[in-house]
Amino acid sequence: DTAVSQTPKYLVTQMGNDKSIKCEQNLGHDTMYWYKQDSKKFLKIMFSYNNKELIINETVPNRFSPKSPDKAHLNLHINSLELGDSAVYFCASSEPTFFLGGASQETQYFGPGTRLLVL
Amino acid sequence: AQSVTQLDSHVSVSEGTPVLLRCNYSSSYSPSLFWYVQHPNKGLQLLLKYTSAATLVKGINGFEAEFKKSETSFHLTKPSAHMSDAAEYFCVVSRNQGGKLIFGQGTELSVKP
Repeated sequence: DTAVSQTPKYLVTQMGNDKSIKCEQNLGHDTMYWYKQDSKKFLKIMFSYNNKELIINETVPNRFSPKSPDKAHLNLHINSLELGDSAVYFCASSEPTFFLGGASQETQYFGPGTRLLVL
Repeated sequence: AQSVTQLDSHVSVSEGTPVLLRCNYSSSYSPSLFWYVQHPNKGLQLLLKYTSAATLVKGINGFEAEFKKSETSFHLTKPSAHMSDAAEYFCVVSRNQGGKLIFGQGTELSVKP
């Protein structure tokens, strides 16, 4: 009954390989996100999808391509992996954000993370 | 632009003593502010959030935070630390842009027996 799940939990791979990380949420949320946490534990958003539509695309190399087959899934595909891609990647989901002249208030629910190590 | 600054990268307390984790924010409009906790090798869990309903916000596990607009602060407190509170804590501000969260640098809380 996990709310936000990610697979795999750990991923060790060689430079230059292509890999995917899968995320699924069973909360009925319309909005999903990918975050990257570096070795200093700094978290930064990468992408956000609302009902399968891309709404946030931060300055991320185009080797990273999110794919949302339906609103419960948001997968992250990474081409030509580099050493600097080693990090923990978190998926999250929330209710849709509504802009009422202020900041969005919806709580984001995070998955357990995927620890990627590129050798 | 929105940003948050966590004033301490590491805080160490003894079990049973109060906890204070400090956070200052910068926002051009009324912000939504959150505290998340990350236990070792785990995902992030919401502790509490401020959305302008009340300046003193109570969260889970005995934590609370007070929004002080005049000081642009949102410090996290707990009256009595427990060993299980040892974790990384993130102060977060929400941008009015598709739900984008801006994270602080994190404060590692250690609890000594």
